Amino acid sequence: KNQVEQSPQSLIILEGKNCTLQCNYTVSPFSNLRWYKQDTGRGPVSLTIMTFSENTKSNGRYTATLDADTKQSSLHITASQLSDSASYICVVSRTRQGNMLTFGGGTRLMVKP
Amino acid sequence: SAVISQKPSRDICQRGTSLTIQCQVDSQVTMMFWYRQQPGQSLTLIATANQGSEATYESGFVIDKFPISRPNLTFSTLTVSNMSPEDSSIYLCSVEGQGTDTQYFGPGTRLTVL
Repeated sequence: KNQVEQSPQSLIILEGKNCTLQCNYTVSPFSNLRWYKQDTGRGPVSLTIMTFSENTKSNGRYTATLDADTKQSSLHITASQLSDSASYICVVSRTRQGNMLTFGGGTRLMVKP
Repeated sequence: SAVISQKPSRDICQRGTSLTIQCQVDSQVTMMFWYRQQPGQSLTLIATANQGSEATYESGFVIDKFPISRPNLTFSTLTVSNMSPEDSSIYLCSVEGQGTDTQYFGPGTRLTVL
């Protein structure tokens, strides 16, 4: 069964601290893995996309890693800001098209001052 | 990138009625997707809408309950028919970026059914 599991479900950190979110998947075949940020009341916004051959990709303070052998990914947030408070969703695609996506349950991150 | 707008942004509806949600994209796209996000849950694909053909529905979703129109390459509608409180969700429209694997999402329509 194609599944994407994220941990932790929720996380509270202090402003300025770093954190790492985890994603494990059993999706097959594999095309790419995406991390999205979803602010409350908004649609998800893409942070990174990684294909099989990529094992790290950065977008500002966000760095995603991918281990295609162990089927694990992580999203590391550096020097967190209050605006980082959101849900972070890991999504694995079986094809390049958007109709073969498997969504994780998300990690709800709250950054406190 | 693609800019997507949805109308309405939110609505409160009575049981048994229907609501049509509109999705407008600022560029022509082949495939448009409709998702549902129930409270505290992640996204679930309802259907894929291609211009000029009937929408393709995912398991658990049927055309009678969620009829979709796709009259052109920049617009689509999703109707939630004969609503019940279980239909209370956020409904999101999404498109694939041209030439990229990035998927762009609209802001969502928050539906509450009483």
